Amino acid sequence: KAGVTQTPRYLIKTRGQQVTLSCSPISGHRSVSWYQQTPGQGLQFLFEYFSETQRNKGNFPGRFSGRQFSNSRSEMNVSTLELGDSALYLCASSRDSATKNIQYFGAGTRLSVL
Amino acid sequence: GENVEQHPSTLSVQEGDSAVIKCTYSDSASNYFPWYKQELGKRPQLIIDIRSNVGEKKDQRIAVTLNKTAKHFSLHITETQPEDSAVYFCAASRDQAGTALIFGKGTTLSVSS
Repeated sequence: KAGVTQTPRYLIKTRGQQVTLSCSPISGHRSVSWYQQTPGQGLQFLFEYFSETQRNKGNFPGRFSGRQFSNSRSEMNVSTLELGDSALYLCASSRDSATKNIQYFGAGTRLSVL
Repeated sequence: GENVEQHPSTLSVQEGDSAVIKCTYSDSASNYFPWYKQELGKRPQLIIDIRSNVGEKKDQRIAVTLNKTAKHFSLHITETQPEDSAVYFCAASRDQAGTALIFGKGTTLSVSS
């Protein structure tokens, strides 16, 4: 069974540009969450999508947005990039059953903003 | 919103010793507490989790305890081995599905042989 797949693995952008990251969850998983990981702030929750709807949202500015498609794949978009957006962006998927909802992480997309 | 404090930030032990990492959370509505291990350059992986209706859970050399009254939970690793060296993150969630995890800042565990 394939794990959580994130593309691309690496991205280099310049300030002011926008970027779109993709996440394909484990087959059968309907929930996709996004996290930002930086050395200073650690792992921070961005948002979660379930059945194409945003179900939870963290404390990030509106420049960070996402969406989920009918096949549960999710994309995250960051507009007007800032230097501080340089980070490892991780997505995690879970089955969202009543009994067990372990989140499985992808390998991440490392974004560098120059 | 929820805030999770994790201590210590670094922990060095000798092989065979025990290691304890502690976390406190602020939101009394949190009901799911997983622990993730992240090796250098790899993705976080769940090692153990506990729900708020359970006080303790054990899986071989790893155990987690939860004190809901004090709002803190701890990870205990016994008989540590060099391959236990990694960054460990605690997390808390108030979401019924156990998503929307709020993480602690992490503990870098070094096990020397």
